[in-house]
Amino acid sequence: KAGVTQTPRYLIKTRGQQVTLSCSPISGHRSVSWYQQTPGQGLQFLFEYFSETQRNKGNFPGRFSGRQFSNSRSEMNVSTLELGDSALYLCASSLMGDTDTQYFGPGTRLTVL
Amino acid sequence: GENVEQHPSTLSVQEGDSAVIKCTYSDSASNYFPWYKQELGKRPQLIIDIRSNVGEKKDQRIAVTLNKTAKHFSLHITETQPEDSAVYFCAASINYGQNFVFGPGTRLSVLP
Repeated sequence: KAGVTQTPRYLIKTRGQQVTLSCSPISGHRSVSWYQQTPGQGLQFLFEYFSETQRNKGNFPGRFSGRQFSNSRSEMNVSTLELGDSALYLCASSLMGDTDTQYFGPGTRLTVL
Repeated sequence: GENVEQHPSTLSVQEGDSAVIKCTYSDSASNYFPWYKQELGKRPQLIIDIRSNVGEKKDQRIAVTLNKTAKHFSLHITETQPEDSAVYFCAASINYGQNFVFGPGTRLSVLP
């Protein structure tokens, strides 16, 4: 089975711009979660989607949003980028979300200048 | 909400020795506790997990123990090897996989 894939792998943006990141889960997985990883804050949960619905949400501002499509692929959008948004954005997929094991994608490294 | 603490933040051991990393959590409703290994520049990889109805789980050189009363769980690595060097993250989750909260990570260095 192919693993979780994320595109693009690297992205450079400037303050004020917006960005869309994409995540394709493992085939058959219906739950996709997004995380932000920074040296200072570690791994922080952004949100989880299951069957095209946001099921859980972390403590991030409304500039961070996402969606999931009927094929379980998910996108994450960040509007009005700030310097502090520079991070590695990881998505993880699991079968149902409520049966534990998550598999991470390679991440998208976003740099905001 | 849930809060997960992890200690130590860095750990150096000699090859062949054991390493222990401990995490504590705050929400007694948490029922699933995975451990991830992240090598430099790579994605986190699940190495072992434990559910709240189990006290201990072992997989070759890796074991995890859970103390629900004290709300802490630990990762034990025996006979450490240089390839065990990485950052290890613990996590806690309610509802077996939703809304993970991660610990800050432990950087393990195995010295040859």
